Amino acid sequence: RKEVEQDPGPFNVPEGATVAFNCTYSNSASQSFFWYRQDCRKEPKLLMSVYSSGNEDGRFTAQLNRASQYISLLIRDSKLSDSATYLCVVNTYNTNAGKSTFGDGTTLTVKP
Amino acid sequence: DAGVIQSPRHEVTEMGQEVTLRCKPISGHNSLFWYRQTMMRGLELLIYFNNNVPIDDSGMPEDRFSAKMPNASFSTLKIQPSEPRDSAVYFCATRQVTEAFFGQGTRLTVV
Repeated sequence: RKEVEQDPGPFNVPEGATVAFNCTYSNSASQSFFWYRQDCRKEPKLLMSVYSSGNEDGRFTAQLNRASQYISLLIRDSKLSDSATYLCVVNTYNTNAGKSTFGDGTTLTVKP
Repeated sequence: DAGVIQSPRHEVTEMGQEVTLRCKPISGHNSLFWYRQTMMRGLELLIYFNNNVPIDDSGMPEDRFSAKMPNASFSTLKIQPSEPRDSAVYFCATRQVTEAFFGQGTRLTVV
């Protein structure tokens, strides 16, 4: 089983739709969580951190459920420019340092 | 800061040749990660360093792969000998505390 698992997608939605991505992680010791966005043939870039209380950034809402080891990303009023691959990231720390483990990503295509 | 700098951006090499990928981290970032990305396997963590020390290399596929970080400003990932199945985009990412910042990647093609 992979440490971080995501809905594989692809998600194809019309402009203006609301779309949600899910991610589960296996290591209960994981301590910080993020969503990254990756455009075609580009490097992943941080979209937003995910906090225990949930957090919102404009049209994007991220939530964390530690009990279920589950992270979600909600995109409201989707735009054409939201088309990308969304990667869930989990940081797990040990005595020395922490590693960042990425999910395989969920591909979103927003259509006119 | 110029961000994480990787070189070369593209590399095409023949099977059996040695390939060296380079990474310059963001100044002050004490963790460095090497990832490989393919369509089939997604983004795989190969190895990561903290304060120039390798912490976990369990993702390195086999002995043909090696990575070094001789100082805080430089890291290399070497493949010797290279094989066609090593073709992928190799990313270096660095981190100070929480979120990681990626370089633009090296697209490696082994023919």
